[in-house]
Amino acid sequence: AQKITQTQPGMFVQEKEAVTLDCTYDTSDPSYGLFWYKQPSSGEMIFLIYQGSYDQQNATEGRYSLNFQKARKSANLVISASQLGDSAMYFCAMREGATDSWGKLQFGAGTQVVVTP
Amino acid sequence: EPEVTQTPSHQVTQMGQEVILRCVPISNHLYFYWYRQILGQKVEFLVSFYNNEISEKSEIFDDQFSVERPDGSNFTLKIRSTKLEDSAMYFCASRARMEAGGPSDTQYFGPGTRLTVL
Repeated sequence: AQKITQTQPGMFVQEKEAVTLDCTYDTSDPSYGLFWYKQPSSGEMIFLIYQGSYDQQNATEGRYSLNFQKARKSANLVISASQLGDSAMYFCAMREGATDSWGKLQFGAGTQVVVTP
Repeated sequence: EPEVTQTPSHQVTQMGQEVILRCVPISNHLYFYWYRQILGQKVEFLVSFYNNEISEKSEIFDDQFSVERPDGSNFTLKIRSTKLEDSAMYFCASRARMEAGGPSDTQYFGPGTRLTVL
């Protein structure tokens, strides 16, 4: 079974608009971490935002926020005020187990975002 | 800002040859990882490394693969006899020691090495 599901293979969004990227996860471990990474066409993986399973509040980092709905097992990324430089592939990832676990990440298939002027 | 570096950025090799991919993790990090991404596919975990030994490895990480931390800064991935299906982007990542509070288990990725096996 897929641990991380990203159902949107691609999205177009207009500059200055907000966009929500969906991510659902599957785990029976009470302790886990959820991550979003950005991969521009140049190929590097850029860390965006982190949400711990015990965090009471949704994570925010600048224009990025994470809509964490634990009961639904979803961790959607919201990018506000999109910019042309946001065009990239976005990956959702999960680390199962306590923070002192070895910490391998399991990734979703990614969502390709294209920001148009 | 500290970052993970990887060399080379692109490696072309003949099938059956050995390759060594190099990584310099962030200096105060203690946990190290290799991932790979076949073109157009998701990122896959290969191996994690802590305290000079492999802590976890995936099914992909068979006897053809090995990792080493030969000194205090480098972290290498060796593929002994490359196959066509080893063609992929290989990412190194590192994670800080555990600290109270904060996303201390965030893994920071290097820019990747694109391996092409002919």
